[in-house]
Amino acid sequence: NAGVTQTPKFQVLKTGQSMTLQCAQDMNHEYMSWYRQDPGMGLRLIHYSVGAGITDQGEVPNGYNVSRSTTEDFPLRLLSAAPSQTSVYFCASRGEGAGNYGYTFGSGTRLTVV
Amino acid sequence: GDSVTQMEGPVTLSEEAFLTINCTYTATGYPSLFWYVQYPGEGLQLLLKATKADDKGSNKGFEATYRKETTSFHLEKGSVQVSDSAVYFCAPQGGSYIPTFGRGTSLIVHP
Repeated sequence: NAGVTQTPKFQVLKTGQSMTLQCAQDMNHEYMSWYRQDPGMGLRLIHYSVGAGITDQGEVPNGYNVSRSTTEDFPLRLLSAAPSQTSVYFCASRGEGAGNYGYTFGSGTRLTVV
Repeated sequence: GDSVTQMEGPVTLSEEAFLTINCTYTATGYPSLFWYVQYPGEGLQLLLKATKADDKGSNKGFEATYRKETTSFHLEKGSVQVSDSAVYFCAPQGGSYIPTFGRGTSLIVHP
């Protein structure tokens, strides 16, 4: 089915380890974003991209890197995991055009850093 | 920057009760307005949208009207079901095409 695919669904890391959260969409969407969701905090934007080769920081970018080499993929890298990065991470995408397009979300990656 | 205020939850209702979840926002320009729903263990799903003043978005029995004069986009449903139990997010989306999400309102519907 068309949509946004996130892998893995669950991950446990030790402090200081690195990993990449994968996100892929098959809808030819230009806009892609990464959010983290924490209890009582809603969704906070980490990084976003408006097209291949273009990325920008969101509200909480520290500790995370992104790249956008293709339209389909938008991986999120944690270079040195910290317990504060324990969260649920969502990737989302939307098509280009008028601002009345909503976003399609992936099912999330639940990350625990111990 | 843009901001959203949603009513605190959880909102607890009996099946077939009337639902209102309040949402007010501040935004530059003239944003499009969205409601998203998140069922347990899942990602957010677009529920409905409105793109200009007095527009009414609707889907699955839910409705919300774009009120420019009060910068509000309250979500309503005439008769809730147990299956509507979820977290609801209000999200204005302006010219940057990046939505601003509220903290979400949890809805619990009892049989």
